[in-house]
Amino acid sequence: NAGVIQTPRHKVTGKGQEATLWCEPISGHSAVFWYRQTIVQGLEFLTYFRNQAPIDDSGMPKERFSAQMPNQSHSTLKIQSTQPQDSAVYLCASSRQGRDSDYTFGSGTRLLVI
Amino acid sequence: GDKVKQSPSALSLQEGTNSALRCNFSIAATTVQWFLQNPRGSLINLFYLVPGTKENGRLKSAFDSKESYSTLHIRDAQLEDSGTYFCAADKAGNTGKLIFGLGTTLQVQP
Repeated sequence: NAGVIQTPRHKVTGKGQEATLWCEPISGHSAVFWYRQTIVQGLEFLTYFRNQAPIDDSGMPKERFSAQMPNQSHSTLKIQSTQPQDSAVYLCASSRQGRDSDYTFGSGTRLLVI
Repeated sequence: GDKVKQSPSALSLQEGTNSALRCNFSIAATTVQWFLQNPRGSLINLFYLVPGTKENGRLKSAFDSKESYSTLHIRDAQLEDSGTYFCAADKAGNTGKLIFGLGTTLQVQP
């Protein structure tokens, strides 16, 4: 069991460019969550899929952020026209069933927008 | 206001001593999870709790949903216990997303 795999580990992008972050959940886990971590805001929920279907995207900035889960083995978080305030660690987690089961987090992608 | 409030925000312990971390909830928490973020940044799941207690080695955690708090006790602290401890709650009616506290940063000194 390789755990939740996130790639890349680090990404530096210029202001206005697009960034795509990848997450491979643990095999057999039906729920995938995306969080963002900054010093100021702490860990903030972004979005959540269960059985590949979007369940809750209430934390997603509406204009430039989007997330997909095209198959059960990976999810992507795309940020268009990146801004310096998007700099953060983006964390993906999976769990067996979403509610009422424990999370396993990936190591995160550290995004720096310059 | 803060929905999940952790205390203390920072703590320094001598190796071999004991301590307790606390989370207070201003939401109707149904389950609680505790995580340790190590110096490399990885979030390690320590406990998943419904109301009650769990123990794992030198760690023991309790969750009281009626009084809206959870605790994490560390016994015989070791250097490798250093890091930031987060608690997170799933509230009644929620989809399964967790609401995190801001963490307690623990430094264990030799």
